[in-house]
Amino acid sequence: GQQLNQSPQSMFIQEGEDVSMNCTSSSIFNTWLWYKQDPGEGPVLLIALYKAGELTSNGRLTAQFGITRKDSFLNISASIPSDVGIYFCAGPSLAQKLVFGQGTRLTINP
Amino acid sequence: GAGVSQSPSNKVTEKGKDVELRCDPISGHTALYWYRQSLGQGLEFLIYFQGNSAPDKSGLPSDRFSAERTGGSVSTLTIQRTQQEDSAVYLCASSSRRGTGSTEAFFGQGTRLTVV
Repeated sequence: GQQLNQSPQSMFIQEGEDVSMNCTSSSIFNTWLWYKQDPGEGPVLLIALYKAGELTSNGRLTAQFGITRKDSFLNISASIPSDVGIYFCAGPSLAQKLVFGQGTRLTINP
Repeated sequence: GAGVSQSPSNKVTEKGKDVELRCDPISGHTALYWYRQSLGQGLEFLIYFQGNSAPDKSGLPSDRFSAERTGGSVSTLTIQRTQQEDSAVYLCASSSRRGTGSTEAFFGQGTRLTVV
């Protein structure tokens, strides 16, 4: 079935640094979603992308829907301690079922 | 309700007992998902309900696991004869369907299951 591959699997950065992570697939996706999961909580939707080439921002977060429709990127600028968590990308498969990537775990050193 | 509600939030059970986990999706959402998440790991898909269609049960790890969705709303995930490896957080999500694909899914807070 359709799969989403996220990279990197984990990141260890200093507070204030910018963060970049991506999500790729061998199949085309028509929607890309980015979620963040804080420890002990359920994932929360950050950004939704619906058009190829679309660039959307949410505060310090910016996500892009790749032109090929096979990838998406999430950037976080000037990271702060509350950015710690696991970031998941997701998209609907051909069967309309939401497929999730394995997640990128972000750790920030103060 | 305003969001996806799961109960109980925590459950400790003895090995071999059956447990039921409940999910109340967002009103009007046609799609409902169950995921399992072990400590520090990603989301393991379990089962997917979409409207009146037959559920996609391809992620259920064994026949001890089953789920129902009554009246297209509330869902119950049942684990029979629990084992210690069933210990995890069980997350439920719901979404509406728009155009050609499911839209954003919203998650509950999860049920933390501990089998002792």
